[in-house]
Amino acid sequence: DIQMTQSPSSLSASVGDRVTISCRASQSISSYLNWYHQKPGKAPKLLIYSASTLHTGVPSRFSGSGSGTDFILTISSLQPEDFATYYCQQSYTTPRTFGGGTKVEI
Amino acid sequence: QVQLVQSGAEVKKPGASVKVSCKASGYTFASYNINWVRQASGQGLEWMGWMNPYSGNTGFAQEFQGRVTMTRNTSIMTAYMELSSLRSEDTAVYYCARQWLQTYDTWGQGTLVTVSS
Repeated sequence: DIQMTQSPSSLSASVGDRVTISCRASQSISSYLNWYHQKPGKAPKLLIYSASTLHTGVPSRFSGSGSGTDFILTISSLQPEDFATYYCQQSYTTPRTFGGGTKVEI
Repeated sequence: QVQLVQSGAEVKKPGASVKVSCKASGYTFASYNINWVRQASGQGLEWMGWMNPYSGNTGFAQEFQGRVTMTRNTSIMTAYMELSSLRSEDTAVYYCARQWLQTYDTWGQGTLVTVSS
């Protein structure tokens, strides 16, 4: 199975901050990398797919980059509604695997 | 709009089975795979498997092989996930998700399954 490792596991930030979250795959997954965020008690929501393509309706302050094994999610200016847990997920092969999550908090 | 609505919370005893439903609306049910993902309290997301609603074909994570069944009723646009031989470690929120391209673009609201004696 492909292991997905996110860092950091949590971070503290303020509104307006630039935030970056890393995701590393245990083997190359090309650009088959998706990002989701999840708020407490809610289902995850798709943010970015294919490493860098913004899903419909997702604000442009979110961006993704990377290919192969190393990927980054960037939030250019953190907004109050962005405080959540972020997960990367590889869609290169089954079993689909998720990173352990990065909790973004104040 | 595209929506997945899941059945309500369940409490089961160890060794029992649970069947969770996921009703789709707002799109052509047979055209998109349904995946199931679970999340134990305070933990990350764990992929369980997928089902093609058109063919009924399925694929499961090794961990669940032999214990999970995924079925559908296309006439009512509903997918089902049944997990048997439940143990306390299966206590989690179970989500269905629509697979669009290689992503999960729509999720159900989640179903809490509690396994307790």
